[in-house]
Amino acid sequence: QVTLKESGPGILQPSQTLSLTCTFSGFSLSTYGMGVGWIRQPSGKGLEWLANIWWDDDKYYNPSLKNRLTISKDTSNNQAFLKITNVDTADTATYYCARINYGGPFDYWGQGVMVTVSS
Amino acid sequence: DIQMTQSPSSLPASLGERVTISCRASQGISNNLNWYQQKPDGTIKPLIYYTSNLQSGVPSRFSGSGSGTDYSLTISSLEPEDFAMYYCQQDASFPNTFGAGTKLELK
Repeated sequence: QVTLKESGPGILQPSQTLSLTCTFSGFSLSTYGMGVGWIRQPSGKGLEWLANIWWDDDKYYNPSLKNRLTISKDTSNNQAFLKITNVDTADTATYYCARINYGGPFDYWGQGVMVTVSS
Repeated sequence: DIQMTQSPSSLPASLGERVTISCRASQGISNNLNWYQQKPDGTIKPLIYYTSNLQSGVPSRFSGSGSGTDYSLTISSLEPEDFAMYYCQQDASFPNTFGAGTKLELK
């Protein structure tokens, strides 16, 4: 059974760095073709893809976030991470992680974690 | 970036009705089009991948079609659990992009 769960700080201040963790089970990020992606959704708005990391440590980022993103993984502990530097109120959103099998859709999603940026 | 234009943004419908949601890409995406459903509690699940392939466990009343820049999701006979938000997503190129969503609501 594949499950994913996001965790984060809940609230942080502008200019800080947001660190998110995706803890998953039921698959391994060392398996050929496996990947994890991060997607966010501001309240009442649509979905925005942020980044993907693959089994071979290949990484893809959304250029709209202008080098503020870093995605990484810890294969031994079945976790993936996303850091967003220099946050502002526009980064307030629910952040989802999701599994992706190469060539397929995001086929399993976490429940999402809400992050608020506020001074 | 490839822009995904989804329509309608809101779709009132009745139980048992057949409905179609459309998604248009700003350039050809070679059938690399997925559909997702989001429930009010935020839960997201995939429905259709690569235009017309039904994700495992998804009822057969859901179907997808399209080519080039124009794609659609059809629900043949609405069930109570189908009233939700629907999003298309292109993964033909990075950055992957989503449509703005369609809210399927009970008429």
